[in-house]
Amino acid sequence: AQSVTQPDIHITVSEGASLELRCNYSYGATPYLFWYVQSPGQGLQLLLKYFSGDTLVQGIKGFEAEFKRSQSSFNLRKPSVHWSDAAEYFCAVGAREYGNKLVFGAGTILRVKS
Amino acid sequence: EPEVTQTPSHQVTQMGQEVILRCVPISNHLYFYWYRQILGQKVEFLVSFYNNEISEKSEIFDDQFSVERPDGSNFTLKIRSTKLEDSAMYFCASSVSVTMDTQYFGPGTRLTVL
Repeated sequence: AQSVTQPDIHITVSEGASLELRCNYSYGATPYLFWYVQSPGQGLQLLLKYFSGDTLVQGIKGFEAEFKRSQSSFNLRKPSVHWSDAAEYFCAVGAREYGNKLVFGAGTILRVKS
Repeated sequence: EPEVTQTPSHQVTQMGQEVILRCVPISNHLYFYWYRQILGQKVEFLVSFYNNEISEKSEIFDDQFSVERPDGSNFTLKIRSTKLEDSAMYFCASSVSVTMDTQYFGPGTRLTVL
């Protein structure tokens, strides 16, 4: 069965520090990969996506992610975190072979210390 | 920028009652989805819909659930006889393409079943 693991439930970083949120997936097909962010009371906003090509993808708000097929990972990074980045981050995976549904990780709550 | 909208933002209902959750997908999108997130759990796929038919549904989407596109703009999720365990945040999403594509999510409807 397809699965997505975000091993960190909570992460706290200081403002200005770098950030890496981990995502590992288990899929029997070529995956499409997404990171979404959810602020309190808000919907799921797309940060970035990987379908094919360059394995380092850039997203909005200064985020980037790198697809590593050998490690089945798609980690999200940001070089310098801002207080407004505090939110919950979800990794999601889909594949054409499994229809159009997305499988989500459990989410990582990011707290930013000033 | 076009957005997926959902109404109501909150819905409180008594167990056994019928509820209808409404969504307006992005206007040129062809694929529509419902997901739900029970408090503290992962976002889970419920159903996808294309060309006025269900494309795929999960095990969660049993006979108590139905979806409909009653007109050219709305997409609804009906729960016929709500149960306590239906309490969750319900997200609508839409995408342009019939193949794997970015899904854009609405802000969600929080359903509370008493």
